Amino acid sequence: EVQLVESGGDLVQPGRSLRLSCAASGFIFDDYTMHWVRQAPGKGLEWVSGVSWNSGSIAYADSVKGRFTISRDNAKNCLYLQMNSLRAEDTALYYCAKSIFSGLAAFDFWGQGTMVAVSS
Amino acid sequence: EIVMTQSPGTLSLSPGERATLSCRASQSVSSTYLAWYQQKPGQAPRLLIYGASSRATGIPDRFSGSGSGTDFTLTISRLEPEDFAVYYCHQYGSSPRTFGQGTKVEIK
Repeated sequence: EVQLVESGGDLVQPGRSLRLSCAASGFIFDDYTMHWVRQAPGKGLEWVSGVSWNSGSIAYADSVKGRFTISRDNAKNCLYLQMNSLRAEDTALYYCAKSIFSGLAAFDFWGQGTMVAVSS
Repeated sequence: EIVMTQSPGTLSLSPGERATLSCRASQSVSSTYLAWYQQKPGQAPRLLIYGASSRATGIPDRFSGSGSGTDFTLTISRLEPEDFAVYYCHQYGSSPRTFGQGTKVEIK
């Protein structure tokens, strides 16, 4: 059974940093592109970032480019999101999502999310 | 960035009725790269359709997707009580990947 378990969410002040983790199990982690998607309270879905199976291809939404860094450790079956210079508008539930296959693909499994709140 | 616009914002229907949800892209999207998700309150999104018309594993055949270019449709042939939820379209063919703002299907 595929499982994605996010952790690391917290209440932080603007300008601070946070690192999110996503522990994956039930599939061959290094076969798939992985993504972070966020959802602000009461709002829709916003893709944040994605990383290919070997970290050779990485992309970011313009809203986080230069502040967030996605990475993965295939030996540990873990996906990460380093979030720096946090802003109030980064407040959201952050989901880890798996692609159906490596490359351009829809997201077939999602974690339950970890909440990030940015406020002074 | 490709902007995805869904309509209507809310669809009020009764169980057993047919639901037709629309998604329009600001630029042409290869139908290979269009997906639909369902999200219920307090839950993560669930993949329904990918490649514009392929049902994901375990998705009932009352869900179907169609369309090409800039206009795509999700159809639920006969609404079941568990189908009342928010639905999002998603293009994943170009970066940044973008979602529509969602269509809420509510019980009339």
